[in-house]
Amino acid sequence: GEDVEQSLFLSVREGDSSVINCTYTDSSSTYLYWYKQEPGAGLQLLTYIFSNMDMKQDQRLTVLLNKKDKHLSLRIADTQTGDSAIYFCAERAAAGNKLTFGGGTRVLVKP
Amino acid sequence: NAGVTQTPKFQVLKTGQSMTLQCAQDMNHEYMSWYRQDPGMGLRLIHYSVGAGITDQGEVPNGYNVSRSTTEDFPLRLLSAAPSQTSVYFCASSYSSTGHTEAFFGQGTRLTVV
Repeated sequence: GEDVEQSLFLSVREGDSSVINCTYTDSSSTYLYWYKQEPGAGLQLLTYIFSNMDMKQDQRLTVLLNKKDKHLSLRIADTQTGDSAIYFCAERAAAGNKLTFGGGTRVLVKP
Repeated sequence: NAGVTQTPKFQVLKTGQSMTLQCAQDMNHEYMSWYRQDPGMGLRLIHYSVGAGITDQGEVPNGYNVSRSTTEDFPLRLLSAAPSQTSVYFCASSYSSTGHTEAFFGQGTRLTVV
């Protein structure tokens, strides 16, 4: 079955760049997503990338996809204290709407 | 817009009790799903529905039942709660599409089974 893996924790200084990494196993994934979860809240979609793209940039966010290695990353430029949250990557299989989530990376931004 | 609404936000149950977690969406989404979130394990799919009258099992369906009598509502039932079901539960909805479709999540229900 599908499997999505992320590192558990990332600490970064305010103003630096953050890079969150994710690996997945399903080679038929069509879309890959990054969600953000703030304390006590649900998940909010940050950005997504179609599987035939290598890179997508959206303001401070850059998503890189290496389909050969099944590796996805999210770079947050000029990280702010408001970026402290748990970040989940998720992949969507070719059939249906089902999402498979990684375990989440807790990002702590230090002043 | 209300989006996806879950009730209750918090619940404590005794082992063996039953309860229903409510989920409603007002976006006319065909696809609805229930996840549980446990530390370090991400979100795991419990059950999902591709439309009214159609439900299917996800990754961890045991101990849970669902029904989808209307497009708007997708309740999750625990028939006999167990401590292993202590978790945060999220309901999500989206349009059914072969293209990109955003999943919208409720605020979650924190359930403790003692």
